Amino acid sequence: ETGVTQTPRHLVMGMTNKKSLKCEQHLGHNAMYWYKQSAKKPLELMFVYNFKEQTENNSVPSRFSPECPNSSHLFLHLHTLQPEDSALYLCASSQEGATSYYEQYFGPGTRLTVT
Amino acid sequence: ILNVEQSPQSLHVQEGDSTNFTCSFPSSNFYALHWYRWETAKSPEALFVMTLNGDEKKKGRISATLNTKEGYSYLYIKGSQPEDSATYLCASRDNYGQNFVFGPGTRLSVLP
Repeated sequence: ETGVTQTPRHLVMGMTNKKSLKCEQHLGHNAMYWYKQSAKKPLELMFVYNFKEQTENNSVPSRFSPECPNSSHLFLHLHTLQPEDSALYLCASSQEGATSYYEQYFGPGTRLTVT
Repeated sequence: ILNVEQSPQSLHVQEGDSTNFTCSFPSSNFYALHWYRWETAKSPEALFVMTLNGDEKKKGRISATLNTKEGYSYLYIKGSQPEDSATYLCASRDNYGQNFVFGPGTRLSVLP
């Protein structure tokens, strides 16, 4: 166990549905991340939150909406997704600091299928 | 935008063999290079964080080196075991922010 949990582990949703992915870290970290891994592609960074403030948004479509209510929880709200959004969504956390170099701890991921 | 490459894409070795693979990354504005090990159905697990040119890190039978001037890192596994079978990812970060860019990974299979 890495100290980062994600729910649900699997999700099937239609293109008109609204759903949310949840991530929780029990490590006392102050930075959290959402990544996407599509088939045959490298992990792609989607969003970064540092001290609950979003610091990176890598041109992600607005149908993905992150929320970070506190430093332990991170959500990814999904609405009107497309079949090409089917992927593994990974959450990670790290401790920001002068010498930490942001070593990340990953959750197990949510396997999302959009039908 | 960083572009991180890894080679080979996949590798099959016999138990007991030593092996190595490569991660290449842009050397300009380099900040840190991360190695992860990702077993099927598990979370990626951090192996090393490397920052200085010439850095060498070791964890058991696994070691890594870093050359920031030419933009590459090697990961070595000595005496491979079946439990080493996994995808090995590297990720580079430049000093502009918290933007990690991952390589596509090297998938290692160690045959008993």
